[in-house]
Amino acid sequence: AQSVTQLDSHVSVSEGTPVLLRCNYSSSYSPSLFWYVQHPNKGLQLLLKYTSAATLVKGINGFEAEFKKSETSFHLTKPSAHMSDAAEYFCVVSEDGNNRKLIWGLGTSLAVNP
Amino acid sequence: KAGVTQTPRYLIKTRGQQVTLSCSPISGHRSVSWYQQTPGQGLQFLFEYFSETQRNKGNFPGRFSGRQFSNSRSEMNVSTLELGDSALYLCASSLGLGQGNTGELFFGEGSRLTVL
Repeated sequence: AQSVTQLDSHVSVSEGTPVLLRCNYSSSYSPSLFWYVQHPNKGLQLLLKYTSAATLVKGINGFEAEFKKSETSFHLTKPSAHMSDAAEYFCVVSEDGNNRKLIWGLGTSLAVNP
Repeated sequence: KAGVTQTPRYLIKTRGQQVTLSCSPISGHRSVSWYQQTPGQGLQFLFEYFSETQRNKGNFPGRFSGRQFSNSRSEMNVSTLELGDSALYLCASSLGLGQGNTGELFFGEGSRLTVL
């Protein structure tokens, strides 16, 4: 069965320092992978997606993620954190080869300190 | 272009009651999915509707049901409410069939249900 594990439930960084949010997955298929962000009291927004094209995926707001099949990882990074990046981040994997069902990680709460 | 609209945003019910939540997708989107979000369980998929037909269903009891209308608006209903049903219920719309096929889900801000 497919699964996704976000390795950190909480991450705290200082403004201007790099961000690393870790995600490991398991999938029997060539997976599609997504990162979504949820700001407080808001719905979720797609940050970026991997669908078997380039392994380094660039998203909105300066975020990017690298698909590493050998490590079954899809970590989210940003070179320099901004206060507005404080939010909940979700890693998502498609459950089957047709992307019909999504499996969501439990989320990583990112705090950005001034 | 208006986003996904969910109503009501907040509601309080007591055990045993039933509740109906509404979701209006982005204009032109035909697929609507529902999720339950709780601190301990994260996002759990409830069901997906496309062209008024339920296409996918998660692992929730039959107390959770939904429907979609010809204008793609969707409702979900929870009967015989339990304390554990307290959660944020999120609706997401997309262009076509399948949650990931077209790549992006567009989420509403959710309906926060509290069961006392």
